[in-house]
Amino acid sequence: RKEVEQDPGPFNVPEGATVAFNCTYSNSASQSFFWYRQDCRKEPKLLMSVYSSGNEDGRFTAQLNRASQYISLLIRDSKLSDSATYLCVVNRDDKIIFGKGTRLHILP
Amino acid sequence: DAGVTQSPTHLIKTRGQQVTLRCSPKSGHDTVSWYQQALGQGPQFIFQYYEEEERQRGNFPDRFSGHQFPNYSSELNVNALLLGDSALYLCASSYETGVGANVLTFGAGSRLTVL
Repeated sequence: RKEVEQDPGPFNVPEGATVAFNCTYSNSASQSFFWYRQDCRKEPKLLMSVYSSGNEDGRFTAQLNRASQYISLLIRDSKLSDSATYLCVVNRDDKIIFGKGTRLHILP
Repeated sequence: DAGVTQSPTHLIKTRGQQVTLRCSPKSGHDTVSWYQQALGQGPQFIFQYYEEEERQRGNFPDRFSGHQFPNYSSELNVNALLLGDSALYLCASSYETGVGANVLTFGAGSRLTVL
């Protein structure tokens, strides 16, 4: 089993819709959690950190459930510019592990 | 403020050759991590350097080695190249401690093609 697993993609979503990504991690000792975004043929960039209490940044909401070892990302009112691959990331003992990523296509 | 810079951006090698990739971290960062990203996959952790020592290592063979210099820059070396080593190699830097620790800033990558 992979240490970080994400929803298979791609997700094809009309502009303005809400989309949710899920991620599970296998090691309960994992300490911190992030979502990164990667545009086609570009490097990954931090989208947001994920905190136990849940956190929001504009249209983006991230949640963490340590008991279920589950992380989520919700994008509301999706824009064409949200089209990208979203990477779930887990930090365990300073080893930062990426999921395979979920590709999102926002359709006009 | 320069971000993470990597060189070369593209290179082509043949099987059995050796390659060295270079990385300069973002100003103020002291930790460098290297990742391999194959097409359609997420970045795979190779290793991390801090204080000129390899601190963590992923599931990569000894053909992959690295180095960190006193100015925090780093090199990734791959010996005896295989076709399967063709990938985008990403360098990421971060702070070791404090606010923002373990938040990675990536370079644009070095795309290696092995023929």
